[in-house]
Amino acid sequence: KAGVTQTPRYLIKTRGQQVTLSCSPISGHRSVSWYQQTPGQGLQFLFEYFSETQRNKGNFPGRFSGRQFSNSRSEMNVSTLELGDSALYLCASSLSGGSYGYTFGSGTRLTVV
Amino acid sequence: AQSVTQPDIHITVSEGASLELRCNYSYGATPYLFWYVQSPGQGLQLLLKYFSGDTLVQGIKGFEAEFKRSQSSFNLRKPSVHWSDAAEYFCAVAFSGTYKYIFGTGTRLKVLA
Repeated sequence: KAGVTQTPRYLIKTRGQQVTLSCSPISGHRSVSWYQQTPGQGLQFLFEYFSETQRNKGNFPGRFSGRQFSNSRSEMNVSTLELGDSALYLCASSLSGGSYGYTFGSGTRLTVV
Repeated sequence: AQSVTQPDIHITVSEGASLELRCNYSYGATPYLFWYVQSPGQGLQLLLKYFSGDTLVQGIKGFEAEFKRSQSSFNLRKPSVHWSDAAEYFCAVAFSGTYKYIFGTGTRLKVLA
């Protein structure tokens, strides 16, 4: 079966712009989480959605937002990009939550210049 | 605060040698425990997970991990390392009802031929 699909794989944006990243979970998975990975901070939790509801949110500024659609696909948006937002953004999905292990996508590499 | 510690940033082993990667967590209750592996430019792949029961769990690619409650540890082991095991390994914990993972900082494994 198809894995978690993230698009685009690579993105270059300018400071001050906004960006939207997309994630298609494994079919049947209703929980989608987002993580930011940087060399300095490692893997940090952004937010988790289940059935279009955000159940948990990490310690990121309000510029970071997300949503989930009725088909479980998810998007995350970052507004007013800063250089420090350059990172690998990983999406992960599971049936109902992370207790049984998330399946991760390959990520979107965002570079802010 | 909840935290996960992977004390070894880099480990180098010879092909065929045994491997043990360390992971400690700080929290009162027993969390759900995971090990993930990440190859360069890729997402995270789940190696194994522990919820309850037998404290020695088997995973994919010949890996196993042992949960030791008294030491708050969940160390990853492999009896004989292959060159293809070179990657970065992450320990993660999750707590019931929080829907988020807390990741360690990772251990980068290098395998000598």
